[in-house]
Amino acid sequence: QKEVEQDPGPLSVPEGAIVSLNCTYSNSAFQYFMWYRQYSRKGPELLMYTYSSGNKEDGRFTAQVDKSSKYISLFIRDSQPSDSATYLCAMSLAGGTSYGKLTFGQGTILTVHP
Amino acid sequence: DTEVTQTPKHLVMGMTNKKSLKCEQHMGHRAMYWYKQKAKKPPELMFVYSYEKLSINESVPSRFSPECPNSSLLNLHLHALQPEDSALYLCASSQSGLARETQYFGPGTRLLVL
Repeated sequence: QKEVEQDPGPLSVPEGAIVSLNCTYSNSAFQYFMWYRQYSRKGPELLMYTYSSGNKEDGRFTAQVDKSSKYISLFIRDSQPSDSATYLCAMSLAGGTSYGKLTFGQGTILTVHP
Repeated sequence: DTEVTQTPKHLVMGMTNKKSLKCEQHMGHRAMYWYKQKAKKPPELMFVYSYEKLSINESVPSRFSPECPNSSLLNLHLHALQPEDSALYLCASSQSGLARETQYFGPGTRLLVL
C-alpha cells in the first residue's frame, strides 16, 4: 500500500463546474499538507498549504484536511480551462530527520473543457 | 522573487557522456533539493542539501553526483547514465529544509539518455 493514494483520473469537467480532488494517506504522523499544480512540461507550483486539520480558502480554491479520517481534499469552484493541469497532493512529517521530504500522491490529471 | 531557475531546459546525452545540470535561486533559501520525475508519475526525491551540506541521499546510484558550491547554487553531475534515467529533473528550494516550509520548484531539465 502506498503511503499516499490519489486517484490519477483523468478527470474531465465542463467550464464552471466544481471540481473535487482527494487524497488519502496511511501515516498519521503527517502534519503538513500541500496541493501543487503542474502544467505540462513545467515544474510543480504550490497552490495550497495547510497545517494539521481544517479548511483553507484562497479565491476559487479550498483545501480541507481531516486528520481523523486521513483524508485531504482540494475544491476548485467555477473551474476554468486554464485550470487544466495535473494536481499533486503532497505531505510531510513534522520534525525529526525528515527535513523537507515531501511524499506525493500520484497526481490527478484534470481537463476543463469550454 | 520566488523563482528557481534551471539550465539547460533540455539535454540529450549518450551513455558515455558526462554532463551537469544547474539550479540557482536568489531567495536566500538555505535548503535545495533534486527530484526526478518520470512521465505521469509524481516527483521522487533524490537529494537534499541544507546549509550546503548533504542531508538526504535517497539511495541514488553513484552515476548521479550532487554538488552545492554555495547557498544559491546546486549542481547535479551526470556520468554513465542509462536510458531509464531519462526523465524531468526538478530542482526546488526552501527556507532551511524544515518540514513546514514551502518548497519552490524550478521548471526542470528534460533529460534524454540515448
